[in-house]
Amino acid sequence: KNEVEQSPQNLTAQEGEFITINCSYSVGISALHWLQQHPGGGIVSLFMLSSGKKKHGRLIATINIQEKHSSLHITASHPRDSAVYICAVGGIQGAQKLVFGQGTRLTINP
Amino acid sequence: EAEVAQSPRYKITEKSQAVAFWCDPISGHATLYWYRQILGQGPELLVQFQDESVVDDSQLPKDRFSAERLKGVDSTLKIQPAELGDSAMYLCASSLFGGYNEQFFGPGTRLTVL
Repeated sequence: KNEVEQSPQNLTAQEGEFITINCSYSVGISALHWLQQHPGGGIVSLFMLSSGKKKHGRLIATINIQEKHSSLHITASHPRDSAVYICAVGGIQGAQKLVFGQGTRLTINP
Repeated sequence: EAEVAQSPRYKITEKSQAVAFWCDPISGHATLYWYRQILGQGPELLVQFQDESVVDDSQLPKDRFSAERLKGVDSTLKIQPAELGDSAMYLCASSLFGGYNEQFFGPGTRLTVL
């Protein structure tokens, strides 16, 4: 079993819909990241959080430490949001590195 | 805006050949990472440097892969000989604070081994 599980693996929605991507992890962590990867490979960091909730524009990230679960929400989705969204956790068993989920491929149709 | 530079962006090679990838991190970032990303999966750490020292290379296939960061700035990842299973995206990232703090990624090098 992977240490970081994302769901769904693929998500297709219509422009304007509210999007939720989930990330679950199996052991205690120190931090969780949400990243965005566009076709062609470049990865951009969206959020780093260790508790609570963060918001940036139409993106909202939440984390529940007790339930070992995080969600990334996109409000008023747009075709330019189409990308792969990756969850990564750090500090597993004290390790000073990130462990990545397999990613969620999001497609927003106009 | 400061960026992580990587070259080449694409590389096609035949199996048993040698390949090399280069990465120049954001100025001042002491921590540099090399990741391998197979299509449809998340990145997997190959090697992590703190300045010129390797701090984690536990997942680096050392029989064919090598990495160096001689002056603690730019870095080279080499594969010799390349195998078909090495076809992947090779990503470089750098971080100011290291560990599991925010990382800045380069555009990657897509390697195809024929």
